[in-house]
Amino acid sequence: DGGITQSPKYLFRKEGQNVTLSCEQNLNHDAMYWYRQDPGQGLRLIYYSQIVNDFQKGDIAEGYSVSREKKESFPLTVTSAQKNPTAFYLCASSLPLAGGPETQYFGPGTRLLVL
Amino acid sequence: LAKTTQPISMDSYEGQEVNITCSHNNIATNDYITWYQQFPSQGPRFIIQGYKTKVTNEVASLFIPADRKSSTLSLPRVSLSDTAVYYCLVVGGDSNYQLIWGAGTKLIIKP
Repeated sequence: DGGITQSPKYLFRKEGQNVTLSCEQNLNHDAMYWYRQDPGQGLRLIYYSQIVNDFQKGDIAEGYSVSREKKESFPLTVTSAQKNPTAFYLCASSLPLAGGPETQYFGPGTRLLVL
Repeated sequence: LAKTTQPISMDSYEGQEVNITCSHNNIATNDYITWYQQFPSQGPRFIIQGYKTKVTNEVASLFIPADRKSSTLSLPRVSLSDTAVYYCLVVGGDSNYQLIWGAGTKLIIKP
């Protein structure tokens, strides 16, 4: 069954703690992305990676870190420097449609809550 | 970077055709228009993508006028399960990371 998986579904963070969100895809997509979504808002890009061992900052990268050691995996770490981490985090991977730009396919999301 | 403008919310009734319009005045030559659907606490789902004129698939149609400064997503014969948030996205043909997501249109379908 092909797709994108994110774990855990819910994650709780204590003050000063780093937490890591998992994202795995078996779609053989080269590009992967992390977004943050706050209630009633659109998605904001945190980081993206177009190829293994390379990644770029998005619009709101401060307080977050990523790695891309394998094509299938793109974990996101929310560091203690991120002062307002409570949000819904979405991972995506992309594939170019015929004759068009890349189209993104999303995972089910991880909801991060601060204790 | 192209910015999109959509209505914040819309209501309709089961069985009706729903049209959601998106404005993108600064769209670039290589940009495509893409629509996504999102249910609460789920990731967005790709609906349709187009460059000009009309595109149709099994769930929706996308109408794009010649000047490409707007586009209209058409959902035929909606049902209660079409209640969701719909996002219009202008996607750069050259660089996928130039993505700007607005707040979307919350569509509520009534019985």
